[in-house]
Amino acid sequence: DSGVTQTPKHLITATGQRVTLRCSPRSGDLSVYWYQQSLDQGLQFLIQYYNGEERAKGNILERFSAQQFPDLHSELNLSSLELGDSALYFCASRFGSANTGELFFGEGSRLTVL
Amino acid sequence: TQLLEQSPQFLSIQEGENLTVYCNSSSVFSSLQWYRQEPGEGPVLLVTVVTGGEVKKLKRLTFQFGDARKDSSLHITAAQPGDTGLYLCAGVWGNNRLAFGKGNQVVVIP
Repeated sequence: DSGVTQTPKHLITATGQRVTLRCSPRSGDLSVYWYQQSLDQGLQFLIQYYNGEERAKGNILERFSAQQFPDLHSELNLSSLELGDSALYFCASRFGSANTGELFFGEGSRLTVL
Repeated sequence: TQLLEQSPQFLSIQEGENLTVYCNSSSVFSSLQWYRQEPGEGPVLLVTVVTGGEVKKLKRLTFQFGDARKDSSLHITAAQPGDTGLYLCAGVWGNNRLAFGKGNQVVVIP
């Protein structure tokens, strides 16, 4: 158990819909990362938050947005969903803001868009 | 274009055999990590290598960082079914950016 909690574990929805994925980081961790994993693209970095502020942005689509709340939990919002958005979405956390040290991953949220 | 290329993408071997998988790039990394991901779970860190030429051992797993810090290898001795998983390398480069490879899917057959 990494200490990172993601909900829901599975989600099936239709094209054009909007979903919200939730992440609670490990206790004490200030940084939250969101990744998308698909068979053809691998693990792609979407966005990082540190102590409530956006820290770094990766390959995140404009239809996607995220935020980190004062209690440090984070949400990833995916809107106008397309078939190609079907993937595993991982949240990861670490204490600091720099990319050093271990990233602790949740078990992921599997999104299926029909 | 992937910053980190992992090969082979898929490898299936019998229990007891040895295997080596690779993580290559044209970029120089300040550090490189290896993670293992099992079905239904998130990646879990195995090791971090920092110095060019560094070799680290974790039981039957041997990790090597290339002298030029552009590549790495993972060697598993006497593989066991519990070694089955997706092995991901991740490199820190440039302005403290982190990138993952697509992974080496290893299946160890009992």
